[in-house]
Amino acid sequence: GAVVSQHPSWVICKSGTSVKIECRSLDFQATTMFWYRQFPKQSLMLMATSNEGSKATYEQGVEKDKFLINHASLTLSTLTVTSAHPEDSSFYICSARAGYRGTDTQYFGPGTRLTVL
Amino acid sequence: AQSVAQPEDQVNVAEGNPLTVKCTYSVSGNPYLFWYVQYPNRGLQFLLKYITGDNLVKGSYGFEAEFNKSQTSFHLKKPSALVSDSALYFCAVTAWGTGFQKLVFGTGTRLLVSP
Repeated sequence: GAVVSQHPSWVICKSGTSVKIECRSLDFQATTMFWYRQFPKQSLMLMATSNEGSKATYEQGVEKDKFLINHASLTLSTLTVTSAHPEDSSFYICSARAGYRGTDTQYFGPGTRLTVL
Repeated sequence: AQSVAQPEDQVNVAEGNPLTVKCTYSVSGNPYLFWYVQYPNRGLQFLLKYITGDNLVKGSYGFEAEFNKSQTSFHLKKPSALVSDSALYFCAVTAWGTGFQKLVFGTGTRLLVSP
């Protein structure tokens, strides 16, 4: 149980294009989803938190117009990197949580490797 | 503000020996503590969590962790390490009342188990 998928697992795109990454909770309903970014050999940096049906809450320093997050259903959240540039190349990981409480476990997707040429 | 410290970038242990990966935390109020493991180019896998109750928490793959309130620590342990345990381990904390109950992660500790 508690499986989270991400699609695609890797993507290569040209500078200036937009890329959409999907995060799905396969066997539970996720009231809250989180999007993280991880640089090589570094920890996870939280980008934003999204609750189903609400606008995402972005962490300080994260451009909301560049990283569009939609959490339209209890099993799906999407992250769109708009007008991607090489500095956006990174490993993006989502997580999903069945409840709103901190005691509820976050389950992570396998990640998406984005390379912008 | 809450924070997590993992003082060791890397821990080396021989297969069959016990292992410990250290974690200390700082929060206002009662902490909720988690351990995750990450294999190369993969997401994080949940190992165990402490919410309340017994200070010794048992988790997946034979791992356990001990909550020590006085030392504000939550060290991850395993009695006998396997080569397949080699991975990156993250400690994380949250607390009641923090925004969205989001997790704050440590910097990670790389565990290398030699045959």
